[in-house]
Amino acid sequence: QSVLTQPPSVSGAPGQRVTISCTGGGFNIGAGYDVDWYQQLPGTAPKLLIYANNNRPSGVPDRFSGSRSATSASLAITGLQAEDEADYYCQSYDNSLRVVFGGGTKLTVL
Amino acid sequence: QLVQSGVEVQKPGESLKISCTASGYRFSSYWIGWVRQMPGKGLEWMGIIHPSDSDTRYSPSFQGQVTISVDKSISTAYLQWSSLKASDTATYYCARMIGGSPESGYFDYWGQGTLVTASS
Repeated sequence: QSVLTQPPSVSGAPGQRVTISCTGGGFNIGAGYDVDWYQQLPGTAPKLLIYANNNRPSGVPDRFSGSRSATSASLAITGLQAEDEADYYCQSYDNSLRVVFGGGTKLTVL
Repeated sequence: QLVQSGVEVQKPGESLKISCTASGYRFSSYWIGWVRQMPGKGLEWMGIIHPSDSDTRYSPSFQGQVTISVDKSISTAYLQWSSLKASDTATYYCARMIGGSPESGYFDYWGQGTLVTASS
């Protein structure tokens, strides 16, 4: 059971918009810690997608965006493409458990 | 970049040390973390170390189960087990943390992963 809760799977057709939620609590996101997002393509290492809630590293398309509210965060992907099919993980910090990851969400492009 | 040591196949009860060698940046300036991914499962944070002073933080789930260390002279971080269990079978990633501290940091560069299999 992860401290940060993500839906196990989401799906969308090419060109559509999907969102992936990451729900925490008062000891992590609710305590003010930032949320980061990673993309893991099959058989590869994770890649940083969004940092500090809503910032994109150089090279990440602007189709990817992040947001954060009181105790949760979301990753939005617009103009869905086949190459976006991957696992997505949120990450934050928790007062008791240190660095924490969400359980991961598998994105399927229909 | 971060380059990890190769595939390991060991028997339960044996000791093991895997490595992560950094290049292209000042090794002592950034935390290095270790992340476990069991077959078909998600990412689990194991611990993190700052090479400048070897300040090390462990996840409660891994405290006492593994040891994280560094050798600054060769820009290399290590993850070691004194006695492997079958349940340690997983891919292990090292990653550089940027952002100043584990409380505010994120992993911007990742190693390619080391597959560890513990089987009799």
